[in-house]
Parts: sequence; structure tokens; C-alpha cells
Amino acid sequence: DAGVIQSPRHEVTEMGQEVTLRCKPISGHNSLFWYRQTMMRGLELLIYFNNNVPIDDSGMPEDRFSAKMPNASFSTLKIQPSEPRDSAVYFCASKVSGANEQFFGPGTRLTVL
Amino acid sequence: QQPVQSPQAVILREGEDAVINCSSSKALYSVHWYRQKHGEAPVFLMILLKGGEQKGHDKISASFNEKKQQSSLYLTASQLSYSGTYFCGTEIPGTASKLTFGTGTRLQVTL
Repeated sequence: DAGVIQSPRHEVTEMGQEVTLRCKPISGHNSLFWYRQTMMRGLELLIYFNNNVPIDDSGMPEDRFSAKMPNASFSTLKIQPSEPRDSAVYFCASKVSGANEQFFGPGTRLTVL
Repeated sequence: QQPVQSPQAVILREGEDAVINCSSSKALYSVHWYRQKHGEAPVFLMILLKGGEQKGHDKISASFNEKKQQSSLYLTASQLSYSGTYFCGTEIPGTASKLTFGTGTRLQVTL
């Protein structure tokens, strides 16, 4: 199995630009999670989906962040407009609903200048 | 609220033991432990469900005291491959699948 796939792996952008991060979960997994990791705040859950439906988005920092899951094999996290404080590693994880283990993707390292 | 882990960092010589603690201010349904090596994604180690069970995975084991809202991860006879940052993820009753990760404990095993 290919595991969770994220793209791009690295993104450098300027403040004010739109950023789109992409995630392909493991086939057959119906729960998907977006996390943000920084030195200051650690690993934070932003939003998670079950069967393509957003279940809890209380971790989304503000309206500049949005996430979609149009089908079972694709999700996006969009930041518009981006700010330097959004710089972080963004992880996508997936699992089978009801199972314990979350499988993390390799992450996208975002740098906003 | 984010669970608190202690210690924040620890350096061990190969073969030594370590204990990592995770403490929550909220009642817990389960505790998950993950390890993240530098520059890599977190990897699942084990889950502890309420009931005070203790689990083992090779020479890594864990316990969960639901009354104290605490979990501990025990690393016995540490190996170089144990180096990394360990996170506990806590699940609160009624919030299925939602994990709140702790502050992390950086473990370095040296020769």
C-alpha cells in the first residue's frame, strides 16, 4: 500500500498568497484528519472528516483556513490569505472508522515569508 | 486542553530505562502513544483503554490510570532506534476519534 500521500512536500510562499495542501488517504480508510505541527504549539488537530463529512472543525484557527473532502480519496486544506504565523508542518492522517491507529502522511512543510 | 508530558527531554545511554508521563486535566476514554523520528511522521505505538490496563510492545510498555487521568510509557533497555519524540494523544468520552496530543517528550539514546 502506498500510505497516505501529501503534496506538495515543501511550499514556500509570500504573505497574502493562497496556499492549497493536498492529501490522498489510504484506500479503504474513511476517517481523515488534518494536523498542524509547530515547535510552540506541538501537534494540533485542525479538522477531521468521517465518510467525507466534516465532523469537528473546532481546531481550525480562523476563517482563513478551509478544508474540503469532495470524495473518499482526496482532501484539501486551503489557507487564504496566508500569513507568516501559518508556517508549520501540516500532516494529513487517515484511518478506518472505529479503528485505533491513525496513519500519518509525510507532511507538508509550509513557509510563509 | 493539551495534556502535559514530562519530562520534556531525556538523554539515555543505550540499555538504560526511561519513563514518560502524560497527564490530562479531563476524564479520559483512552490514551494513544505515538513516536516521531526527526523529520518524519508520527507512528502509532499503542492504545490504552480505560480500565487501568497495561500493554507491551517489545520492550516498550504503557499503563493508564483513569482515576488520576494519567498514562505512563516505559522504555526498557533502550536502543538507539528508540530515539525520537514521543507524544501521547488523549481521547475524551463522547469525542470519538478526536485526539488531543501532548506537548511531546524528546528522547535521545546514545552509545
